Formats: sequence, structure tokens, C-alpha cells
Amino acid sequence: QKEVEQDPGPLSVPEGAIVSLNCTYSNSAFQYFMWYRQYSRKGPELLMYTYSSGNKEDGRFTAQVDKSSKYISLFIRDSQPSDSATYLCAMRANTGNQFYFGTGTSLTVIP
Amino acid sequence: DGGITQSPKYLFRKEGQNVTLSCEQNLNHDAMYWYRQDPGQGLRLIYYSQIVNDFQKGDIAEGYSVSREKKESFPLTVTSAQKNPTAFYLCASSASGGSSYNEQFFGPGTRLTVL
Repeated sequence: QKEVEQDPGPLSVPEGAIVSLNCTYSNSAFQYFMWYRQYSRKGPELLMYTYSSGNKEDGRFTAQVDKSSKYISLFIRDSQPSDSATYLCAMRANTGNQFYFGTGTSLTVIP
Repeated sequence: DGGITQSPKYLFRKEGQNVTLSCEQNLNHDAMYWYRQDPGQGLRLIYYSQIVNDFQKGDIAEGYSVSREKKESFPLTVTSAQKNPTAFYLCASSASGGSSYNEQFFGPGTRLTVL
């Protein structure tokens, strides 16, 4: 079993839709959770970061962590064509410096 | 501007050659990482370094080597022993501090193609 599971998609939505991206994980020691956006042939850029459980909102983006279910989500409201990219979840434990990544979900927002 | 630079952007290698990918950061981060990205497989960790002159193997270290002589620099050598080196290589760095939160920042990547 992989440490982090993420549906690769592809996911295609119309402009203005609400997008839900999800990851599950198996290691209960994970405490730090991140979402990255990666455009084609570019390095990932950090979108959202959360510690432990709860919600965090930043503009059109909301990150949720449910540690009891080992499940994290990223919601994108009012999706735009510029949101078309691959979204990677990542996480790490409280000790050590190793990060664990999902395989990424490819999103296309159609104008 | 603070950030991570990788060079070259594109690299072509003949079979049997060693090549070195450059990674430099000016974020004053202690930890640096090398990942390999292949379609459908996400990011796989090759090597990471938490401090100068120290580094650890990741999940797919065979056929790769690194050095960490300076805090700012973490070059990756892809040796001829790496059987399938064609991939997108990403360097990253993060602050280090035990229980304090860490965020990982990535460079723009190097695309290596074996001819």
C-alpha cells in the first residue's frame, strides 16, 4: 500500500464550477499537509499548507484535513481556466524531513 | 528574489555517460531534496540532505549520487548505472527544525533525455 493515494483523474469541469480534490493516507504520524499546483513542464508551487486537522481558506482555495479518516481535500471555488494544472498533495510526519507525495490529479477547467 | 534554480533546463545524455544536474538555493534552507517525476508515478525521492556534508538515500537512489559541500548547493549526478534515467528531475528545499512546520519549495526542474 502506498503511503499516499490520490486519484490521477483526469478531471474536467466547466468554468465557475466547484472542484474537489482528495487524498487519503495510511500513516497516522503525518501532521503537516500541503497542496501543490504544477503546470505542464514546470516545478510544483505551494498552494496551501495546513497543520493537523481543520480547515484553511485562502481566496478561492480551501484545504481540509480529517485526521480521523486520514483524508485531506482541496476545494477550488469559481474555477478558472488558469486553474488547469496537476494538483499534488504532500504530507510529512512531525519528525524527520521526508515528504510523501500523491501521484497528482490532472484538472482541466473548460471556458 | 529568493528561490531555487536548476540548470540546465533540458539535458541530453548519451548512454554510458555521467551527467550532473545543478541545484542552488538562496532561501537559507538547511534541507534539500532531489525527486524524479515520471508520468503517472508522482514524485519519487532520490536523495535528501538535512545539513551540509550529510545526505541520505531516498526510495530510488540506485544509479545516482549527490554531494552537499555548501548549504546553497546540492548537485545530482546521474551515473551510467542508472538504467532508465529519462525523466523530469526536481530539486526542492525546506526549512529544518524538528517540530516546527516545514514547507517544501521546488525549482523549475531539469528534463533529462537519454539518446
